[in-house]
Amino acid sequence: SQQGEEDPQALSIQEGENATMNCSYKTSINNLQWYRQNSGRGLVHLILIRSNEREKHSGRLRVTLDSSKKSSSLLITASRAADTASYFCAITGNTPLVFGKGTRLSVIA
Amino acid sequence: DARVTQTPRDKVTEMGQEVTMRCQPILGHNTVFWYRQTMMQGLELLAYFRNRAPLDDSGMPKDRFSAEMPDATLATLKIQPSEPRDSAVYFCASGPDGVLDGYTFGSGTRLTVV
Repeated sequence: SQQGEEDPQALSIQEGENATMNCSYKTSINNLQWYRQNSGRGLVHLILIRSNEREKHSGRLRVTLDSSKKSSSLLITASRAADTASYFCAITGNTPLVFGKGTRLSVIA
Repeated sequence: DARVTQTPRDKVTEMGQEVTMRCQPILGHNTVFWYRQTMMQGLELLAYFRNRAPLDDSGMPKDRFSAEMPDATLATLKIQPSEPRDSAVYFCASGPDGVLDGYTFGSGTRLTVV
């Protein structure tokens, strides 16, 4: 498979806690991107990390990339009820933008 | 904010009918994707264009699906004839060459084939 695979499939946490989602892939990549999708809406780009980068921050988001293990993680700190959504990783490399099945995050107020 | 516009928002059609979905990419974006999303299969890449030329449509059932970019402001996805298994949400996304900040998705077309 040339797509990323997110883990876990579903995650439920209390508001204020941190949420960590993981993405693994099997091919070489140019970059890895994370997207959020609220129910019934289109995907929204969150953050892009290049293959030669290890870590990137954007507000409450922190993304890491371990190219040797072919894995990435998305950390959302101090989660809010509004963070409830599905989160997808997508890779570009030998193929254009290919998505995994996503992680469904529920943040309980 | 610039947006990717998809029409129609919702479409209900009878099996066997032709369906056309349209996408207006963001002005200046030369890369356009079509995806299909279902609960079972997730997000499937159907077609991918750069500078209006199709680069990858291997994920698209060729016998009934076709994707085109008649000009830089319009991408179309056609299904003829439609089948109930085509029921899904179809998304279009666009981005500039050498993407630095990811791609912009439209709100999708929810297709129901009865």
